[in-house]
Amino acid sequence: AAGVIQSPRHLIKEKRETATLKCYPIPRHDTVYWYQQGPGQDPQFLISFYEKMQSDKGSIPDRFSAQQFSDYHSELNMSSLELGDSALYFCASSRQINEQFFGPGTRLTVL
Amino acid sequence: SQQGEEDPQALSIQEGENATMNCSYKTSINNLQWYRQNSGRGLVHLILIRSNEREKHSGRLRVTLDTSKKSSSLLITASRAADTASYFCATPTGRRALTFGSGTRLQVQP
Repeated sequence: AAGVIQSPRHLIKEKRETATLKCYPIPRHDTVYWYQQGPGQDPQFLISFYEKMQSDKGSIPDRFSAQQFSDYHSELNMSSLELGDSALYFCASSRQINEQFFGPGTRLTVL
Repeated sequence: SQQGEEDPQALSIQEGENATMNCSYKTSINNLQWYRQNSGRGLVHLILIRSNEREKHSGRLRVTLDTSKKSSSLLITASRAADTASYFCATPTGRRALTFGSGTRLQVQP
């Protein structure tokens, strides 16, 4: 069965650079979520989209933005990167408000 | 502050033993979910229990929910080395968001 696809899987950036993470949800899933997980931390909700419209907003910094496109894929844009942004970034998708299926994550390292 | 707090933070057991993890939450919920995460990997949904349910089983997993105490427990019976992972409880917050607890790191010794 198709799973959530995230790209890239690994990303290394310098401070103050920008990064774009992509997420392709499971077909026919109408909701996409983004989470950030720092080393040894629990996943922190960033933002979600339902039918291409922003649904909920969590602890997403103002330097980050996200959107969901007409084909339902989503992108998380991160600007002015800081060392503290180094983390695993997970995308998840669901059909309605049910169990979320997580992608493998993008490991972002900011040097 | 976190919606879900889990204990213990770490648990080490022998293969074949049972593992129990607990989760507490703060606000009213309509369901509680448990996820598993292997080191550095994505989270995998294990089980969802609704607020009107007290207990739910799935294979070797047994989840209980006590809404009066705002707590849940996950029991893994007859543990295997492959069960070694971090386990998180998660509760819905907002319309479409989950808040995760701090997780329990389970180590099953072969």
